[in-house]
Amino acid sequence: SQTIHQWPATLVQPVGSPLSLECTVEGTSNPNLYWYRQAAGRGLQLLFYSVGIGQISSEVPQNLSASRPQDRQFILSSKKLLLSDSGFYLCAWSPGQVGYGYTFGSGTRLTVV
Amino acid sequence: AQRVTQPEKLLSVFKGAPVELKCNYSYSGSPELFWYVQYSRQRLQLLLRHISRESIKGFTADLNKGETSFHLKKPFAQEEDSAMYYCALKTAGTASKLTFGTGTRLQVTL
Repeated sequence: SQTIHQWPATLVQPVGSPLSLECTVEGTSNPNLYWYRQAAGRGLQLLFYSVGIGQISSEVPQNLSASRPQDRQFILSSKKLLLSDSGFYLCAWSPGQVGYGYTFGSGTRLTVV
Repeated sequence: AQRVTQPEKLLSVFKGAPVELKCNYSYSGSPELFWYVQYSRQRLQLLLRHISRESIKGFTADLNKGETSFHLKKPFAQEEDSAMYYCALKTAGTASKLTFGTGTRLQVTL
């Protein structure tokens, strides 16, 4: 069966420091991968998605970037964190087929101090 | 662009009462609609999909294209139904994207 792993679960970083959040999927190949940010009262906002290695689409301009160095690995990064980057980040995958929803990771709570 | 609206931030019902969580959408293409649930301290998980027309944990949802709605219903609420519920719309195509509503917190009280 397919599983999705996301780490770390929590992270406290100072303003101006770099960020790297990792997400990996097991048990499938060529998944569509997604990064969301979940904010209270604002639902889930899609940040990036990828349909293949090296293919990244950005949904909103921001201080973050994403990369997909391997088929089942998706990384969310920043060179210099801002206070406004604090939030709950979720990785998700889907087979990219009709009728299938997304499966989410357990999330990373990022606090920028 | 697609949009999902969940008008209620909080819905409080008594145990055994019927539940209806509202969801309306706007999308120019043929939509796929989903309901996701997030229980306390658990990850977001898929509850049901319109395409399968299934009932999960007593919940059902019917896609009404005329009213562009996908309301979630359950005839008798249980305490364990208390959670955050998100309606989501998936766009068509290989590079599909899932757009979420802002969520409704369901609180079932005795």
